[in-house]
Amino acid sequence: QKEVEQNSGPLSVPEGAIASLNCTYSDRVSQSFFWYRQYSGKSPELIMSIYSNGDKEDGRFTAQLNKASQYVSLLIRDSQPSDSATYLCAVNVDSNYQLIWGAGTKLIIKP
Amino acid sequence: NAGVTQTPKFQVLKTGQSMTLQCAQDMNHNSMYWYRQDPGMGLRLIYYSASEGTTDKGEVPNGYNVSRLNKREFSLRLESAAPSQTSVYFCASSLSGSVSATNEKLFFGSGTQLSVL
Repeated sequence: QKEVEQNSGPLSVPEGAIASLNCTYSDRVSQSFFWYRQYSGKSPELIMSIYSNGDKEDGRFTAQLNKASQYVSLLIRDSQPSDSATYLCAVNVDSNYQLIWGAGTKLIIKP
Repeated sequence: NAGVTQTPKFQVLKTGQSMTLQCAQDMNHNSMYWYRQDPGMGLRLIYYSASEGTTDKGEVPNGYNVSRLNKREFSLRLESAAPSQTSVYFCASSLSGSVSATNEKLFFGSGTQLSVL
């Protein structure tokens, strides 16, 4: 059973601090990794994608991938109350069309 | 530009009833997907359509059927609803469908909250 694991949270972070979200996956051959944000009662939206080991930065967001350790993380710098949401990690499996999703980490940014 | 449109937004069914969830996208995307989202679980793929005229089973296809009516529309049918199908259903689309493609992105509809009593 191929799995993606995330801490369900909630993760509470003060406004302006760095929020760190983690995700581990079981399939060693996975090649594509995604972070989606989902506000309560809304649909998921893509935040970041990462395909190679190392860091990828986009504004306040940084995705980090370590294939040897099978984890991917998302850092949010200068956290804002508007970042409060559930963050979903998704990883591709052997089919090009299928993703395995984690259950998500609920992030709360406290003003 | 509407993106991905799903109907209905809410539905209550009795066990054994049937219904069809409708989905349409106006982004000229090739691939379309149906997911379900249950509390404490990740999104699970029910069916997908890599291109017009093709459909394939995902992770949890039992109890569902799909139709890719044309490039724009992808419907999900529950023939005989069961309480285990109570969930939030999301339709999604993507340009190429290959999640390995750089910058491939899923665009989601607003979801359907389905309750089966």
